Amino acid sequence: EVQLVESGGGLVQPGGSLKISCAASGFAFGTYWMHWVRQAPGKGLEWVSRIKRDGSSTAYAASVKGRFTISRDNAKNTLFLQMNSLRAEDTATYFCTTMSGDWGQGTLVIVSS
Amino acid sequence: DIQLTQSPSSLSASVGDRVTITCQANQDINNYLNWYQQTPGKAPKLLIYDASTLETGVPSRFSGSGSGTDFTFTISSLQPEDIATYYCQQYENVPYSFGQGTKLEIK
Repeated sequence: EVQLVESGGGLVQPGGSLKISCAASGFAFGTYWMHWVRQAPGKGLEWVSRIKRDGSSTAYAASVKGRFTISRDNAKNTLFLQMNSLRAEDTATYFCTTMSGDWGQGTLVIVSS
Repeated sequence: DIQLTQSPSSLSASVGDRVTITCQANQDINNYLNWYQQTPGKAPKLLIYDASTLETGVPSRFSGSGSGTDFTFTISSLQPEDIATYYCQQYENVPYSFGQGTKLEIK
């Protein structure tokens, strides 16, 4: 069974940093491009970032470019999102996904003083 | 960047009705379009990919059509369990944008 389990969310002050993770199991993680998608409370879905199978290529939404870094550890079947210079508007549930039908349950990040 | 305009933003229909949602892209996306269903507190569920291919296990009352810039998502006979918000998403080019969503309610 495919599982994607996010962790590491929480409350952080504006300007702070947070690193969230997504542990994958049940499929060949290293053969999939992986993505982060977020959803602010009561709002729609926003694509955040994606990373190639071997980590050699990344892309970001304009809203997070220069502040967020996506990475992966294929040996540990784990996807990461390092978030720096966090703003109130980054408050959201962050989902990891293959974009092929597999999604995690999400981890909530709240940016507030 | 590719913009997706999804309509309507909300829709009220009766059980058994045929429901249609449209999604228009501001440039050709070569049918690289997903349709998702999301219920409150849950992750999105992929229903349709490549604009018209039904994901495994998804009921056949759901369908997608269209090409180029204009796409349609249809529920042929609305069921109570279909109450959700529906999103289109393009994956032709990064950033992989989503439509604004359509909230579907039972009349």
